[in-house]
Amino acid sequence: KQEVTQIPAALSVPEGENLVLNCSFTDSAIYNLQWFRQDPGKGLTSLLLIQSSQREQTSGRLNASLDKSSGRSTLYIAASQPGDSATYLCAVTLNTGFQKLVFGTGTRLLVSP
Amino acid sequence: GAGVSQSPRYKVAKRGQDVALRCDPISGHVSLFWYQQALGQGPEFLTYFQNEAQLDKSGLPSDRFFAERPEGSVSTLKIQRTQQEDSAVYLCASSLLAGSSTDTQYFGPGTRLTVL
Repeated sequence: KQEVTQIPAALSVPEGENLVLNCSFTDSAIYNLQWFRQDPGKGLTSLLLIQSSQREQTSGRLNASLDKSSGRSTLYIAASQPGDSATYLCAVTLNTGFQKLVFGTGTRLLVSP
Repeated sequence: GAGVSQSPRYKVAKRGQDVALRCDPISGHVSLFWYQQALGQGPEFLTYFQNEAQLDKSGLPSDRFFAERPEGSVSTLKIQRTQQEDSAVYLCASSLLAGSSTDTQYFGPGTRLTVL
């Protein structure tokens, strides 16, 4: 059974710091890996999607890497801002014929002004 | 609206009551997903529809949970004889295509169910 783990569970940093969120998964047979953002009382927003054949994706201040063989992904946030405060979730897509997502427990990020 | 909507946003039920949660996906989206998110946890897959066909219901916790999408658009998740362990946020998501590994899922804001 695929299991996804995220470390740390919570992180508090001052504005401007660069930070790294970690995700690990137990089964390397995945279609892709996604990073989502979840704000309180709101749904999830997809930030980055890395296909299994790719090693990284970038969007603005965000960079996500994927090492499928070791079952690891990292989300790098550069020059953090208070607006980045949210819960970040990692999810892998299983080989089921449709996009069945298995989520980690998330990292709750607080960026202080 | 342009996004996925869910209603009600909050639901309080007494143990043993039946509840129905509604999801309005983005118009034209073929795929629809339901997830359950317990407090402090990531979402867990419940069930998947491709148009009106329920292709995977392996994540439904018990036979008290039932989902339908009769016309291939709006979906309803029904929970019978609610229990305290059913308390969670129920998220709905839709995506344009079927069977694609790169299609984006768009999530609704969720329904927070509290069972007393």
